[in-house]
Amino acid sequence: DAGITQSPRHKVTETGTPVTLRCHQTENHRYMYWYRQDPGHGLRLIHYSYGVKDTDKGEVSDGYSVSRSKTEDFLLTLESATSSQTSVYFCAAARGGTRSGTDTQYFGPGTRLTVL
Amino acid sequence: DAKTTQPNSMESNEEEPVHLPCNHSTISGTDYIHWYRQLPSQGPEYVIHGLTSNVNNRMASLAIAEDRKSSTLILHRATLRDAAVYYCILRGGGSQGNLIFGKGTKLSVKP
Repeated sequence: DAGITQSPRHKVTETGTPVTLRCHQTENHRYMYWYRQDPGHGLRLIHYSYGVKDTDKGEVSDGYSVSRSKTEDFLLTLESATSSQTSVYFCAAARGGTRSGTDTQYFGPGTRLTVL
Repeated sequence: DAKTTQPNSMESNEEEPVHLPCNHSTISGTDYIHWYRQLPSQGPEYVIHGLTSNVNNRMASLAIAEDRKSSTLILHRATLRDAAVYYCILRGGGSQGNLIFGKGTKLSVKP
């Protein structure tokens, strides 16, 4: 357990409004990830970070941005929320990232976002 | 990353062993086999991983075929709390290090 928390846990917002989701970890893991989970698609990677201020895009990054100013915090921002971004968002953290096939990811409890 | 194939769903009785299969015929020599599970309304959690040899931990056992083209997650005594979606994932340290989730196997446990 990497002590991963996400906030808020639930959010309802309107189309066109900006939204920021926060992920916080307490174990000093270098790598952090944002996934979204939708019925029929499983979890898909949005963005990831391999260090402070080092981020890159994942499979479904359009409409999302991220920032990581501290090791422990990874923020996901929807600049202008759309109904297609209604989903459950999971944050994860990992120690080793890409260098080891043995690396374990630890997931947060998720944020359920509804865009009306 | 190589693809895995799992049954969509399985049922088990409480306190009985459960064998969850996974086929990965295109696995490469450096791919580790990972299992995660996702309980209802929770994030995925790590269960176990292995490379070639069978592995045991407090949660489960992982049996890996000699040719590594398939593996089986074994829950020795299923409890109601084990009802979850189980994901078999291959990890070779891809370019992003993220996990690639398939649809997994939904395990139901009957009392």
